Amino acid sequence: QVQLQQSGAELVKPGSSVKISCKASGYRFTSYDMHWLKQQPGNGLEWIGWISPGNGKTKYNQKFNGKAIFTADKSSSTAYMQFSSLTSEDSAVYFCAIGGGNFDHWGQGVMVTVSS
Amino acid sequence: DTVLTQSPTLAVSPGERITISCRASESVHTRMHWYQQKPGQQPKLLIYGASYLESGVPARFSGSGSGTDFTLTIDPVEATDTATYFCQQSWNDWTFGGGTKLELK
Repeated sequence: QVQLQQSGAELVKPGSSVKISCKASGYRFTSYDMHWLKQQPGNGLEWIGWISPGNGKTKYNQKFNGKAIFTADKSSSTAYMQFSSLTSEDSAVYFCAIGGGNFDHWGQGVMVTVSS
Repeated sequence: DTVLTQSPTLAVSPGERITISCRASESVHTRMHWYQQKPGQQPKLLIYGASYLESGVPARFSGSGSGTDFTLTIDPVEATDTATYFCQQSWNDWTFGGGTKLELK
């Protein structure tokens, strides 16, 4: 069955960067774009962007342009998102997800806390 | 961005029929999808393409609408349906509604 296994929670300092991972299994990794989403406590969801693991093509929500960088390693079926210049506004749970227009499979989420 | 607007909360009794609405700031045709999210969990897809039931989701859930106005119906509501429900559109990139929290009376 399709599984998206994300890395563990992160506690990071303001101004630093964080890189979180999403390991895919149960399907052909290059067949689906990997999307990344942000959810702040008590808030809705924001789409950050996607990466096509087959060719490395990316698309970012303009709000996160320059903030997030996506990469994908086909050899390990793992997608990565690096978030830079972190502020308290970046404290959130980050999900990876796949699907067509909808997201029918999600990772369990990674809580990122930005605090000095 | 296409903005999706949902009512923030609903309180219902088990056995009732409820509708959760989602209004889009512009037409998204039928590219509307619904999710259920319980605390500490990832969202779960319920309805895609406005009205198609995701495999494994109980038939108590249904969706309707097109253009700018969409509805998720739960009939009858069960205690396990306590959760937050999000709509999401995929016509113009991807955006989500703010969520409707379903509480039981």
